[in-house]
Amino acid sequence: DIQMTQSPSSLSASVGDRVTITCRASQNINTFLNWYQQKPGKAPKVIIYSASNLQGGVPSRFSGRGSATDFTLTIGSLQPDDFATYYCQQSYSVPLTFGGGTKVEIK
Amino acid sequence: EVQLLESGGGLVQPGGSLRLSCAASGFAFSSYYMSWVRQAPGKGLEWVASLKPDGSEKFCVDSVKGRFTFSRDNAKNSLIIQMNSLRVEDTAVYYCARVVYSSGWDHYYYYMDVWGKGTPVTVSS
Repeated sequence: DIQMTQSPSSLSASVGDRVTITCRASQNINTFLNWYQQKPGKAPKVIIYSASNLQGGVPSRFSGRGSATDFTLTIGSLQPDDFATYYCQQSYSVPLTFGGGTKVEIK
Repeated sequence: EVQLLESGGGLVQPGGSLRLSCAASGFAFSSYYMSWVRQAPGKGLEWVASLKPDGSEKFCVDSVKGRFTFSRDNAKNSLIIQMNSLRVEDTAVYYCARVVYSSGWDHYYYYMDVWGKGTPVTVSS
């Protein structure tokens, strides 16, 4: 199974800050990496697919980069609506696996 | 409106059974891969299974093999899990999700773009 490791597991940031979350795969997954945002009590929502493609309707302050084993999700200027937990997920092979999540909290 | 609605969750004793359903509307259900993802209380997301559009192939996580049966009824636009021999560690909110899958010489997409609200399953004595 491919292990997905996210860091940090949580972070505190202020509105307007630039935030970067890292996701590392245990083997080469090309660019088969998706990012989801989840708010408490709600279903996840895809924000980036295939490493760098912005899902329709998602603000352009979100961006994704990376390939092979190392990936990043960046929020260019953190907004109040962005405080949530973010998960990476590989779609290279089954079982599909998620990272452990990064909780973005208000400083 | 594209919508997924799960039902069937509840409280069950260890070793018991439960049947979850996911009703799809607003899109061509029979054209899409579909997935189940679960989330234990206070924990992260765990992929459970995916089914091809025609139901001919199903893929699932090892921990549920032999206990959960996955199916879809394209005539009724529904996705089903028959959960048997339930364990305490199966306690979670179960989400169904639509999968966007596209593969070509210059691209590959496989991600979950529409999710239901989830149905909670509690396995406890």
